[in-house]
Amino acid sequence: SAVISQKPSRDICQRGTSLTIQCQVDSQVTMMFWYRQQPGQSLTLIATANQGSEATYESGFVIDKFPISRPNLTFSTLTVSNMSPEDSSIYLCSVESEGDEQYFGPGTRLTVT
Amino acid sequence: GIQVEQSPPDLILQEGANSTLRCNFSDSVNNLQWFHQNPWGQLINLFYIPSGTKQNGRLSATTVATERYSLLYISSSQTTDSGVYFCAADTGRRALTFGSGTRLQVQP
Repeated sequence: SAVISQKPSRDICQRGTSLTIQCQVDSQVTMMFWYRQQPGQSLTLIATANQGSEATYESGFVIDKFPISRPNLTFSTLTVSNMSPEDSSIYLCSVESEGDEQYFGPGTRLTVT
Repeated sequence: GIQVEQSPPDLILQEGANSTLRCNFSDSVNNLQWFHQNPWGQLINLFYIPSGTKQNGRLSATTVATERYSLLYISSSQTTDSGVYFCAADTGRRALTFGSGTRLQVQP
């Protein structure tokens, strides 16, 4: 299984600002994913990030709001831009290991005031 | 896209009781996983089970792919089993679609 870390673990931000979340994996992986979990809700996929190509966004998520970088096979960042209170959520990255099983990072708990 | 439905939405058990959580999915799957989300938000992998039966201690899972459902069994429940249990499926896109979860509370 992959070991995944995220930074920051939590943050409180003011509306209108941006936050960049980092995801680091202990091994090289082809595909990384970013999910959002709004309070009391399930997880929703934001985008799929492949190294060397543009991220693929799900319906309802746009690059201007959630720009993603994937500079190498062990690292990715998700930026939440121009934040509003509705962006308060847990943001999680995940990776697909050998054999298709996915593993998740510990999450970044974001509160926007 | 695939629809993933979980039942029941909420479950309260006395310590020591057994329970069965169900996950129905609307399409053929390449991947079916069960997770436990602890009170700190961490998602713990329980089973990777696109078909068949697996057991890990007090937990076991069965997926009947032809009938598009999966079951998670928890035996002799403990207070540490409390949290939210998610089923998630992938049809080949390699990204998971999550069900709405079952919130389990185990009382001492």
